[in-house]
Amino acid sequence: NAGVTQTPKFQVLKTGQSMTLQCAQDMNHEYMSWYRQDPGMGLRLIHYSVGAGITDQGEVPNGYNVSRSTTEDFPLRLLSAAPSQTSVYFCASSRDGGTEAFFGQGTRLTVV
Amino acid sequence: QQQVKQSPQSLIVQKGGISIINCAYENTAFDYFPWYQQFPGKGPALLIAIRPDVSEKKEGRFTISFNKSAKQFSLHIMDSQPGDSATYFCAASIWGKLIFGQGTELSVKP
Repeated sequence: NAGVTQTPKFQVLKTGQSMTLQCAQDMNHEYMSWYRQDPGMGLRLIHYSVGAGITDQGEVPNGYNVSRSTTEDFPLRLLSAAPSQTSVYFCASSRDGGTEAFFGQGTRLTVV
Repeated sequence: QQQVKQSPQSLIVQKGGISIINCAYENTAFDYFPWYQQFPGKGPALLIAIRPDVSEKKEGRFTISFNKSAKQFSLHIMDSQPGDSATYFCAASIWGKLIFGQGTELSVKP
């Protein structure tokens, strides 16, 4: 099993560009989430999904969009990148909200 | 109300010592409290977790102590080893959302 796979691993964007961070899991997990990690601020929840077709906002949703058309995939879209979105992004999946969350290896995004 | 506050931000412990990291929360609806360990360049990985109906859980050298009335929980690492040097995050789950603390960077000196 591959677990949670994130692509790309590194990305540099110019201010105003858009892009999609990909996340796929092969564990048939219903719950998937996106986090951003910044020094001294821990992991902050951006958006999450409790199943295909269901998404909701987390702590820091502004500037990001998500959709969940299949159980396996949960892409994160940056509509118009800003330097404040420079961060490391992690995708995670779990069987439900009260069980182990498995994380991908992360995407390091720099917006210049 | 859905915040989880973690302290200290960094911790230096001698090999063989006890590492203690504390977390506090406000929302009594949280129903699952995990601790994650993260090494540089890697994603976080589950270390140990507890539910609010249990006051303590031990797995090897790692123990969670949970105080429901004080809305606090802590991670104790006994006989700390240099290989334990990593960043540790507490978290709390509510309605499918996993909310993390700010993280503690632990360094265990040989």
